[in-house]
Amino acid sequence: EAGVAQSPRYKIIEKRQSVAFWCNPISGHATLYWYQQILGQGPKLLIQFQNNGVVDDSQLPKDRFSAERLKGVDSTLKIQPAKLEDSAVYLCASSLGGGVGDTQYFGPGTRLTVL
Amino acid sequence: GQQVMQIPQYQHVQEGEDFTTYCNSSTTLSNIQWYKQRPGGHPVFLIQLVKSGEVKKQKRLTFQFGEAKKNSSLHITATQTTDVGTYFCAGQPGGFKTIFGAGTRLFVKA
Repeated sequence: EAGVAQSPRYKIIEKRQSVAFWCNPISGHATLYWYQQILGQGPKLLIQFQNNGVVDDSQLPKDRFSAERLKGVDSTLKIQPAKLEDSAVYLCASSLGGGVGDTQYFGPGTRLTVL
Repeated sequence: GQQVMQIPQYQHVQEGEDFTTYCNSSTTLSNIQWYKQRPGGHPVFLIQLVKSGEVKKQKRLTFQFGEAKKNSSLHITATQTTDVGTYFCAGQPGGFKTIFGAGTRLFVKA
């Protein structure tokens, strides 16, 4: 079974530029998560989709971050414009149902460096 | 807001010594999950605890969920160099949102 795919693996941009990340979840998984992991910290949930609807986006900085999951499969996360503090690893995860106690499977992440 | 605190932040052990990390929530949790992240890697699911007072074992790893469902621990017996990494607890206070602790980074000296 293929895992969660993410691209690119690494990205370096200058502040105020825009960037987009792509995630393809495990086939058949209804729920997709985007996390931000700053060095030395635990993953912080940015947004959670169930199929193509948003379940939680309370910690997404909506003035600069946006995410979509068209057709309920793959997803993109965009940052525009980027700030220095956005430097982090962006992890995508998926789970089968998305209910309480569902196991989340993480992709390899995209390491973003904002200069 | 809801928080999941994890201690210690770092732990250095000699190979063969035991290791424990503790997780505490500000609110009652529906369940708690534990993940391991190797250096440069991504979090990998280890186990989930659901019931009050639950204890589960995986070889040298023992996981406990507190009676009040607000705390949990992971204990590794006789650490090995392959245990190196960061161990995260992740709790669901209710509903679907998962809150991760900051993790405990384990260093094992051979």
